[in-house]
Parts: sequence; C-alpha cells; structure tokens
Amino acid sequence: DTGVSQDPRHKITKRGQNVTFRCDPISEHNRLYWYRQTLGQGPEFLTYFQNEAQLEKSRLLSDRFSAERPKGSFSTLEIQRTEQGDSAMYLCASSIQTGSNEKLFFGSGTQLSVL
Amino acid sequence: GESVGLHLPTLSVQEGDNSIINCAYSNSASDYFIWYKQESGKGPQFIIDIRSNMDKRQGQRVTVLLNKTVKHLSLQIAATQPGDSAVYFCAEKRGDKIIFGKGTRLHILP
Repeated sequence: DTGVSQDPRHKITKRGQNVTFRCDPISEHNRLYWYRQTLGQGPEFLTYFQNEAQLEKSRLLSDRFSAERPKGSFSTLEIQRTEQGDSAMYLCASSIQTGSNEKLFFGSGTQLSVL
Repeated sequence: GESVGLHLPTLSVQEGDNSIINCAYSNSASDYFIWYKQESGKGPQFIIDIRSNMDKRQGQRVTVLLNKTVKHLSLQIAATQPGDSAVYFCAEKRGDKIIFGKGTRLHILP
C-alpha cells in the first residue's frame, strides 16, 4: 500500500455517460498527477497540480475531461460524454519535489470500461 | 502521447542471473531519470533514480547507469528472483513533469 487511494477500482459505463474518479494522495504531498494507461503502454501524462493549482494539462486532455483539486488535498477527474476510446486505467500519483528529484507514489488506479 | 523509448518489449532471464533492461531517451535537456516497476493490477512503484550529473547509482540489488553521450539509461537487477517479474518503465523529468516510456516485461525462467 503506497498511501495513495483511488476510488472506484473499476467502473463500467455506457457510451455517453459521465464518470468521476477520486484520488486521495499522501497527506503531506503537495503535487498530484493524473496519468492514463492502456494495455501494453506506459502511463501517459494527463495533468498535474501543485497544491490546488492545476499547472499543466496534456493535449491528450480534451474538453470532455476536467480535473480539480479543490483544497489541495483530494482530486477528482471527470470525463463527460464518455467514448469507447476513453477505456483505460486512470492512475493517480502524488509526490514531494526535492530540487529536480521527484518520487511519485501511485495508487492502484481506476479501470474504466466504456461499452 | 509523450513517451521515452525502449529497445525491447520482453526480456526473459533465468532465475539467479542478472537482468539488464535498456532505455533510450530523446531530450538531452532532461536532468532526472527514474525506473519504475509495475506488477499486474498495481500502479507503478519507484525503484531507483539518477540525476544527470551522475553516471551510476546503486541500490539494493539494482544499479542504474546513465550514458548522456548516447542518451541511454539501463537498469541492472542482480540475482533475478521470481518476485522481479513485472513490467519496468524508465521515466524522465521533462520540464516540470515526468514522462514514461512504453515498458519492458521481465519474465523469469525457473
């Protein structure tokens, strides 16, 4: 157990529905990342937060995706009008940066299946 | 998406032998590199990291080598054990974010 929790572990939804995932990072970590991973691929960067500020969003993140970290603690990732291509593992990670060094602690992910 | 490249998708190693997993990166400005291990059904787990001002760093049974001239990174695992079976990813810090490669699956032969 890394200390990073993600909920739910699995989500099955129909195309066109909205889904929301939650991530609870390690409490003293100020950075929180979202990645997406498909079978046989490495995690793809989606977005990250420093405290409550969203500092960068990948061009992979269409306007159907939105992420928040309202009080600099937990974060949510919402996908609106889901498409079959959104099916993937959504991973959350948190970290404390020490200079350039940054060790990410990952949750176990939310597996999304869009039917 | 953005990714760091890898040479081999699958590596099979006899139990007890040493494993070497290789990775090529493209951004010469990257100054921090990390290896992660991912077991089935879990998120990636940090193994070892290295700054660009170093060319070698050792941990417990693992060594990371960095060759900045050819932009190559390797992970050496000594005396490979069944518990080392996993997918291994190299990652680099590009700007202010961490970018992962596609991964190498390490398969341990009995």
